[in-house]
Amino acid sequence: RKEVEQDPGPFNVPEGATVAFNCTYSNSASQSFFWYRQDCRKEPKLLMSVYSSGNEDGRFTAQLNRASQYISLLIRDSKLSDSATYLCVVNRKNNNDMRFGAGTRLTVKP
Amino acid sequence: GAVVSQHPSRVICKSGTSVKIECRSLDFQATTMFWYRQFPKQSLMLMATSNEGSKATYEQGVEKDKFLINHASLTLSTLTVTSAHPEDSSFYICSARLGPSSPLHFGNGTRLTVT
Repeated sequence: RKEVEQDPGPFNVPEGATVAFNCTYSNSASQSFFWYRQDCRKEPKLLMSVYSSGNEDGRFTAQLNRASQYISLLIRDSKLSDSATYLCVVNRKNNNDMRFGAGTRLTVKP
Repeated sequence: GAVVSQHPSRVICKSGTSVKIECRSLDFQATTMFWYRQFPKQSLMLMATSNEGSKATYEQGVEKDKFLINHASLTLSTLTVTSAHPEDSSFYICSARLGPSSPLHFGNGTRLTVT
């Protein structure tokens, strides 16, 4: 089993739709959680950190459920520019690195 | 803040040659940097953790003699792909962060093509 698992996707949604991604992690001692987006043939870029109380940044909402060991990302009012691969990233406690999910591909269509 | 610069962005080399990739933290000091590799349509795979002033820590299955890492200063780590072969063709990305709980900031990646 992979340490960080994401919805395989792809997600194809119309503009304006709401879409949600989930990510589960296996290491219960994981401490920090992030969502990144990666455009084709580019490096990942930080979308948002995920906090225990949940957090929102414009159309994006991230939530963390430690008991069930998953994090989620909700995108409201999807834009064409939201088309990308979304990566779930988990920081392993006592390890100086992060683990990435395989990513979920989102395509927003007109 | 937290800008990471990677160079070159693209390199094409012949089989058997060595290629050096540089990763710099421009506005902060990074005692640790990370090197990843990504094949088309696959996820990022951590290759090694680069530690300033000491040896790098390699992930299982990554040959340390083939992928030489040097982290001689707090702002520079280099990855050298030695005796490159076509199967080494990939997207190599470095990253660094401000602290253990901080998010990673990535360089813009190096697309290596070995002919």
